[in-house]
Amino acid sequence: EDKVVQSPLSLVVHEGDTVTLNCSYEVTNFRSLLWYKQEKKAPTFLFMLTSSGIEKKSGRLSSILDKKELFSILNITATQTGDSAVYLCAVGSYNTDKLIFGTGTRLQVFP
Amino acid sequence: SQTIHQWPATLVQPVGSPLSLECTVEGTSNPNLYWYRQAAGRGLQLLFYSVGIGQISSEVPQNLSASRPQDRQFILSSKKLLLSDSGFYLCAGGGSTTNYGYTFGSGTRLTVV
Repeated sequence: EDKVVQSPLSLVVHEGDTVTLNCSYEVTNFRSLLWYKQEKKAPTFLFMLTSSGIEKKSGRLSSILDKKELFSILNITATQTGDSAVYLCAVGSYNTDKLIFGTGTRLQVFP
Repeated sequence: SQTIHQWPATLVQPVGSPLSLECTVEGTSNPNLYWYRQAAGRGLQLLFYSVGIGQISSEVPQNLSASRPQDRQFILSSKKLLLSDSGFYLCAGGGSTTNYGYTFGSGTRLTVV
């Protein structure tokens, strides 16, 4: 059965800290891995990764995929209180158009 | 670009009452559409998805049903709500084949009392 596992489930840090969120997967016929940020409502798209070793970067956020070891990390440097959210990892397969979501990592950033 | 409209934003319903949540899509035709539920502090659970008018796939046996009467309309229903139906319901469009995965609606927070 396809699955996506995120760790840690929860993380509490202070502003300015750097955090690393993990996502491992077991998916048949892997197509892509996506990261979303969810605050109070709908998840918003952060990154889509399809190739190993190529870092995607947007401001203080970056992500990389390792297709051999079947995982991805999301890094956030110099965290701010506005980074507080649930971060969701999802994986797509060539077998289906559905995305398989992990349970998310809840990040809380305190001043 | 695709926009997903979803309403209402919040809903409080008594046990045993019916439910109808509507989702409409703007900006694309023949989208794949999905209904997800998210319990507090949990991940997204796929409930139903549709690849076209009248085509519904159910992922989890439950008290809910879905329909797609028009290309850009996706409806989530229940005849009699249970307490366990409480949660945050999200409609999404797109899929793993797009460059952004899904576009999500703003969600409906349902509380069954």
